[in-house]
Amino acid sequence: DVKVTQSSRYLVKRTGEKVFLECVQDMDHENMFWYRQDPGLGLRLIYFSYDVKMKEKGDIPEGYSVSREKKERFSLILESASTNQTSMYLCASSSRQGGNQPQHFGDGTRLSIL
Amino acid sequence: RKEVEQDPGPFNVPEGATVAFNCTYSNSASQSFFWYRQDCRKEPKLLMSVYSSGNEDGRFTAQLNRASQYISLLIRDSKLSDSATYLCVVNSGGYQKVTFGTGTKLQVIP
Repeated sequence: DVKVTQSSRYLVKRTGEKVFLECVQDMDHENMFWYRQDPGLGLRLIYFSYDVKMKEKGDIPEGYSVSREKKERFSLILESASTNQTSMYLCASSSRQGGNQPQHFGDGTRLSIL
Repeated sequence: RKEVEQDPGPFNVPEGATVAFNCTYSNSASQSFFWYRQDCRKEPKLLMSVYSSGNEDGRFTAQLNRASQYISLLIRDSKLSDSATYLCVVNSGGYQKVTFGTGTKLQVIP
Protein backbone atom coordinates (compact mmCIF):
# COMPACT_ATOMS: atom_id res chain seq x y z
CA ASP A 1 0.00 0.00 0.00
CA VAL A 2 1.05 3.53 -0.73
CA LYS A 3 2.00 5.48 2.34
CA VAL A 4 1.99 9.27 2.31
CA THR A 5 2.95 10.77 5.64
CA GLN A 6 2.45 14.37 6.66
CA SER A 7 4.49 15.66 9.56
CA SER A 8 1.65 17.07 11.67
CA ARG A 9 -2.08 16.43 11.97
CA TYR A 10 -2.74 19.72 13.75
CA LEU A 11 -0.64 22.87 13.82
CA VAL A 12 -1.20 26.30 15.33
CA LYS A 13 1.01 29.22 14.29
CA ARG A 14 0.98 32.98 14.56
CA THR A 15 0.59 35.59 11.85
CA GLY A 16 3.90 36.41 10.22
CA GLU A 17 5.62 33.16 11.17
CA LYS A 18 7.38 31.03 8.56
CA VAL A 19 5.65 27.65 8.51
CA PHE A 20 6.96 24.37 7.13
CA LEU A 21 4.71 21.45 6.23
CA GLU A 22 6.49 18.22 5.38
CA CYS A 23 5.33 15.29 3.30
CA VAL A 24 7.05 11.97 2.68
CA GLN A 25 5.95 9.12 0.40
CA ASP A 26 7.40 5.61 0.34
CA MET A 27 6.37 4.43 -3.13
CA ASP A 28 9.07 6.08 -5.26
CA HIS A 29 6.43 8.23 -6.97
CA GLU A 30 7.63 10.86 -9.39
CA ASN A 31 4.76 13.29 -8.84
CA MET A 32 3.90 15.05 -5.62
CA PHE A 33 1.24 17.66 -4.89
CA TRP A 34 0.12 20.12 -2.25
CA TYR A 35 -3.54 21.09 -1.94
CA ARG A 36 -5.61 23.07 0.46
CA GLN A 37 -9.22 22.24 1.16
CA ASP A 38 -11.76 24.75 2.41
CA PRO A 39 -15.52 24.31 2.93
CA GLY A 40 -17.46 24.93 -0.25
CA LEU A 41 -14.32 25.35 -2.35
CA GLY A 42 -13.10 21.78 -2.60
CA LEU A 43 -9.46 20.90 -3.14
CA ARG A 44 -7.32 23.58 -4.72
CA LEU A 45 -3.86 22.86 -6.05
CA ILE A 46 -1.10 25.03 -4.59
CA TYR A 47 2.04 23.53 -6.15
CA PHE A 48 3.13 20.27 -7.68
CA SER A 49 6.39 18.61 -8.57
CA TYR A 50 7.07 15.97 -11.20
CA ASP A 51 10.72 15.37 -10.36
CA VAL A 52 13.41 16.21 -7.85
CA LYS A 53 14.14 19.94 -7.78
CA MET A 54 11.28 20.58 -10.24
CA LYS A 55 8.19 22.51 -9.25
CA GLU A 56 5.17 23.98 -10.97
CA LYS A 57 2.64 26.49 -9.74
CA GLY A 58 -0.86 25.28 -9.24
CA ASP A 59 -4.00 27.36 -9.10
CA ILE A 60 -3.29 29.28 -5.88
CA PRO A 61 0.50 29.56 -5.33
CA GLU A 62 0.52 33.07 -3.84
CA GLY A 63 1.98 33.16 -0.36
CA TYR A 64 3.49 29.68 -0.66
CA SER A 65 6.69 28.10 -1.86
CA VAL A 66 7.84 24.49 -2.09
CA SER A 67 11.00 22.43 -1.97
CA ARG A 68 11.78 19.02 -3.40
CA GLU A 69 15.38 18.12 -2.65
CA LYS A 70 14.73 14.36 -2.51
CA LYS A 71 12.29 12.27 -4.49
CA GLU A 72 10.38 11.08 -1.45
CA ARG A 73 9.97 14.45 0.26
CA PHE A 74 7.96 17.51 -0.74
CA SER A 75 7.80 20.49 1.59
CA LEU A 76 5.31 23.34 1.59
CA ILE A 77 6.44 26.66 3.04
CA LEU A 78 4.27 29.54 4.12
CA GLU A 79 6.70 32.43 3.89
CA SER A 80 4.79 34.74 6.23
CA ALA A 81 1.65 33.09 7.55
CA SER A 82 -1.62 34.99 7.39
CA THR A 83 -5.03 34.20 8.85
CA ASN A 84 -6.48 33.45 5.40
CA GLN A 85 -4.08 30.53 5.18
CA THR A 86 -5.94 28.72 7.94
CA SER A 87 -7.04 25.55 6.19
CA MET A 88 -6.68 21.80 5.80
CA TYR A 89 -3.53 21.04 3.79
CA LEU A 90 -3.29 17.77 1.90
CA CYS A 91 -0.23 16.24 0.29
CA ALA A 92 -0.57 13.64 -2.46
CA SER A 93 1.69 11.57 -4.69
CA SER A 94 1.25 9.60 -7.88
CA SER A 95 3.26 7.50 -10.27
CA ARG A 96 3.99 8.47 -13.86
CA GLN A 97 4.41 4.86 -14.89
CA GLY A 98 1.80 3.26 -17.14
CA GLY A 99 -0.24 6.31 -18.01
CA ASN A 100 -2.42 8.43 -15.77
CA GLN A 101 -2.34 7.07 -12.25
CA PRO A 102 -4.49 8.11 -9.30
CA GLN A 103 -3.16 10.30 -6.52
CA HIS A 104 -2.77 9.00 -2.99
CA PHE A 105 -3.20 11.36 -0.07
CA GLY A 106 -1.68 11.84 3.34
CA ASP A 107 -3.85 12.29 6.42
CA GLY A 108 -3.82 16.07 6.10
CA THR A 109 -2.62 18.89 8.34
CA ARG A 110 -5.16 21.19 9.94
CA LEU A 111 -3.33 24.49 10.16
CA SER A 112 -4.63 27.40 12.20
CA ILE A 113 -3.04 30.81 11.91
CA LEU A 114 -3.83 33.10 14.83
CA ARG B 1 -18.32 26.95 -16.63
CA LYS B 2 -16.36 25.07 -13.97
CA GLU B 3 -13.92 22.42 -15.16
CA VAL B 4 -15.60 19.78 -13.04
CA GLU B 5 -19.10 20.09 -11.60
CA GLN B 6 -20.98 17.98 -9.10
CA ASP B 7 -24.33 18.31 -7.38
CA PRO B 8 -23.34 19.00 -3.75
CA GLY B 9 -26.39 17.16 -2.38
CA PRO B 10 -26.96 16.01 0.25
CA PHE B 11 -28.49 12.84 -1.06
CA ASN B 12 -30.42 11.24 1.80
CA VAL B 13 -31.25 7.64 0.98
CA PRO B 14 -32.52 4.68 3.03
CA GLU B 15 -30.37 1.64 3.62
CA GLY B 16 -30.60 -0.79 0.74
CA ALA B 17 -31.45 1.86 -1.84
CA THR B 18 -29.64 2.44 -5.11
CA VAL B 19 -28.21 5.90 -5.64
CA ALA B 20 -26.39 7.50 -8.55
CA PHE B 21 -24.25 10.60 -8.86
CA ASN B 22 -23.13 12.37 -12.00
CA CYS B 23 -20.16 14.60 -12.58
CA THR B 24 -19.73 16.79 -15.67
CA TYR B 25 -16.42 18.00 -17.05
CA SER B 26 -15.64 20.73 -19.55
CA ASN B 27 -12.34 19.64 -21.11
CA SER B 28 -13.12 17.24 -23.94
CA ALA B 29 -9.45 16.20 -24.05
CA SER B 30 -9.57 14.76 -20.51
CA GLN B 31 -8.22 11.24 -20.45
CA SER B 32 -8.40 9.90 -16.93
CA PHE B 33 -11.21 9.89 -14.42
CA PHE B 34 -11.54 8.75 -10.84
CA TRP B 35 -13.99 8.64 -7.98
CA TYR B 36 -12.74 9.32 -4.47
CA ARG B 37 -14.50 9.00 -1.17
CA GLN B 38 -13.91 11.46 1.66
CA ASP B 39 -15.13 10.97 5.19
CA CYS B 40 -15.68 13.97 7.44
CA ARG B 41 -12.37 15.58 8.45
CA LYS B 42 -10.37 12.86 6.70
CA GLU B 43 -8.31 12.70 3.54
CA PRO B 44 -9.78 11.66 0.17
CA LYS B 45 -9.33 7.98 -0.62
CA LEU B 46 -9.44 6.42 -4.06
CA LEU B 47 -12.69 4.54 -4.59
CA MET B 48 -12.24 3.53 -8.20
CA SER B 49 -10.85 4.54 -11.54
CA VAL B 50 -13.34 5.05 -14.38
CA TYR B 51 -12.66 3.22 -17.61
CA SER B 52 -14.10 3.94 -21.03
CA SER B 53 -16.07 0.70 -21.11
CA GLY B 54 -17.43 1.18 -17.61
CA ASN B 55 -16.32 -0.83 -14.60
CA GLU B 56 -17.72 -2.41 -11.50
CA ASP B 57 -16.31 -3.10 -8.06
CA GLY B 58 -18.75 -4.94 -5.86
CA ARG B 59 -21.73 -2.66 -5.23
CA PHE B 60 -20.12 0.25 -7.09
CA THR B 61 -20.34 0.88 -10.83
CA ALA B 62 -18.60 3.70 -12.65
CA GLN B 63 -19.36 4.83 -16.18
CA LEU B 64 -17.96 7.37 -18.62
CA ASN B 65 -19.99 9.16 -21.27
CA ARG B 66 -17.53 11.01 -23.50
CA ALA B 67 -20.17 12.36 -25.87
CA SER B 68 -21.97 14.19 -23.07
CA GLN B 69 -18.83 14.69 -21.01
CA TYR B 70 -19.86 13.20 -17.73
CA ILE B 71 -18.98 10.32 -15.46
CA SER B 72 -21.32 8.56 -13.08
CA LEU B 73 -21.13 6.50 -9.92
CA LEU B 74 -23.86 4.03 -9.02
CA ILE B 75 -24.06 2.53 -5.55
CA ARG B 76 -26.35 -0.47 -5.07
CA ASP B 77 -27.68 -1.78 -1.76
CA SER B 78 -26.50 1.30 0.16
CA LYS B 79 -24.95 0.72 3.59
CA LEU B 80 -24.72 3.13 6.50
CA SER B 81 -20.96 3.03 6.03
CA ASP B 82 -21.34 4.47 2.53
CA SER B 83 -22.21 7.85 4.09
CA ALA B 84 -19.47 10.18 2.90
CA THR B 85 -18.67 12.82 0.32
CA TYR B 86 -17.86 11.48 -3.14
CA LEU B 87 -15.37 13.45 -5.19
CA CYS B 88 -15.12 13.28 -8.94
CA VAL B 89 -11.59 13.76 -10.33
CA VAL B 90 -10.66 14.53 -13.93
CA ASN B 91 -7.27 14.76 -15.58
CA SER B 92 -6.85 18.32 -16.80
CA GLY B 93 -3.36 18.47 -18.22
CA GLY B 94 0.10 17.02 -18.31
CA TYR B 95 2.13 15.63 -15.42
CA GLN B 96 -1.05 14.08 -14.11
CA LYS B 97 -2.44 17.36 -12.86
CA VAL B 98 -6.08 16.78 -12.07
CA THR B 99 -9.11 18.80 -11.10
CA PHE B 100 -11.31 17.78 -8.21
CA GLY B 101 -15.02 18.37 -8.06
CA THR B 102 -16.34 19.88 -4.84
CA GLY B 103 -18.06 16.62 -4.00
CA THR B 104 -21.50 15.11 -3.52
CA LYS B 105 -22.56 14.33 0.02
CA LEU B 106 -24.35 11.04 0.62
CA GLN B 107 -26.18 10.24 3.84
CA VAL B 108 -27.54 6.72 4.18
CA ILE B 109 -30.36 6.59 6.70
CA PRO B 110 -31.32 3.52 8.79
